[in-house]
Amino acid sequence: KNEVEQSPQNLTAQEGEFITINCSYSVGISALHWLQQHPGGGIVSLFMLSSGKKKHGRLIATINIQEKHSSLHITASHPRDSAVYICAVGGSNYKLTFGKGTLLTVNP
Amino acid sequence: DAGVTQSPTHLIKTRGQQVTLRCSPISGHKSVSWYQQVLGQGPQFIFQYYEKEERGRGNFPDRFSARQFPNYSSELNVNALLLGDSALYLCASSFSPGRLGEQYFGPGTRLTVT
Repeated sequence: KNEVEQSPQNLTAQEGEFITINCSYSVGISALHWLQQHPGGGIVSLFMLSSGKKKHGRLIATINIQEKHSSLHITASHPRDSAVYICAVGGSNYKLTFGKGTLLTVNP
Repeated sequence: DAGVTQSPTHLIKTRGQQVTLRCSPISGHKSVSWYQQVLGQGPQFIFQYYEKEERGRGNFPDRFSARQFPNYSSELNVNALLLGDSALYLCASSFSPGRLGEQYFGPGTRLTVT
């Protein structure tokens, strides 16, 4: 079992829909990251969370430390949101452990 | 202020050859981490360097090596390339190893081994 599990693996939505991507982890962490990767592109950091909730524009990230679960929400989705969204967790050591990513496709 | 830069952007090598990838961190960042992302998978941790010393190593063979220079830039070397080494190699920088919340990623180097 991977230390970081994401669901769904693939998600197709219509423009304007509310989207949720989930991340569960099995290890103790000090921070959880949500990252965005466009096809063939590098990685952009969206959020870093250690507790609670953060919002940036149409993106919202929440984390429940007790349940070891985080969600990334996108409100009023747009085709430009189409990308791979990756959850990564960092503990007290030196490395990030990544999920396999969720491929989001938003159709106009 | 420039972000993390990596060079080259793309690279094609033949099996058995050696490759060197380069990374320049954000100004003021002293820690550099390297990750390998095989197509369709999430990135896997390779190395972390801080103040020119290796602070962590992932589950990669000894063909993979790295170093960090006094200006905090870093090189990743891969010897005796295999087809399976084809991947996107990502560099991330942070001020220090413990401040994982401030890791910034470069655009990556896409390595193709034929």
